[in-house]
Amino acid sequence: AQTVTQSQPEMSVQEAETVTLSCTYDTSESNYYLFWYKQPPSRQMILVIRQEAYKQQNATENRFSVNFQKAAKSFSLKISDSQLGDTAMYFCAFILIHNTDKLIFGTGTRLQVFP
Amino acid sequence: DTAVSQTPKYLVTQMGNDKSIKCEQNLGHDTMYWYKQDSKKFLKIMFSYNNKELIINETVPNRFSPKSPDKAHLNLHINSLELGDSAVYFCASSPPGGNSPLHFGNGTRLTVT
Repeated sequence: AQTVTQSQPEMSVQEAETVTLSCTYDTSESNYYLFWYKQPPSRQMILVIRQEAYKQQNATENRFSVNFQKAAKSFSLKISDSQLGDTAMYFCAFILIHNTDKLIFGTGTRLQVFP
Repeated sequence: DTAVSQTPKYLVTQMGNDKSIKCEQNLGHDTMYWYKQDSKKFLKIMFSYNNKELIINETVPNRFSPKSPDKAHLNLHINSLELGDSAVYFCASSPPGGNSPLHFGNGTRLTVT
């Protein structure tokens, strides 16, 4: 069975600084996708970034980038120039390519950005 | 304009009651889901439907019955509500292929008293 682990229940960072959220996953498969979702206090689930496992290049979306280490099964999220609006729960998620009906989430990391 | 809309936003009810949560998506997606987010914020899939056909049922009690009248709708009916059913329920949809992310509704906070 596939599992996703986020070992940091809470993180904090000062505005304009950089923070990295950790995620590891476990699977015996080689073809999958990884995502980071953000859930602000409004409760919406918002896609932050995604990574295809077959791509070696790390995905980047503006201030958000990932460090994807396939061999280590690690998928960390780096937020640069943190903003107050980045305060949210962040969820790492995983889906197998041949089983695209089941997105598995980690337990989440609560990020607080301080002014 | 809302892509995935679910109603109601909040639902407060007593134990033993039966309630429904409705979900509609206007994205033309084939697959729809229900996820449950517990008090610790853990998100777990409950059901997925593809073109009105049940694909995943994650050992959810049979008090929970999803119904998909067409591929744009996936409603969740819950019988004999229990205290432990209190949670936020998210509807989501996705097109074919796992690289397309799920589009979530804004969630329904269910409180059972």
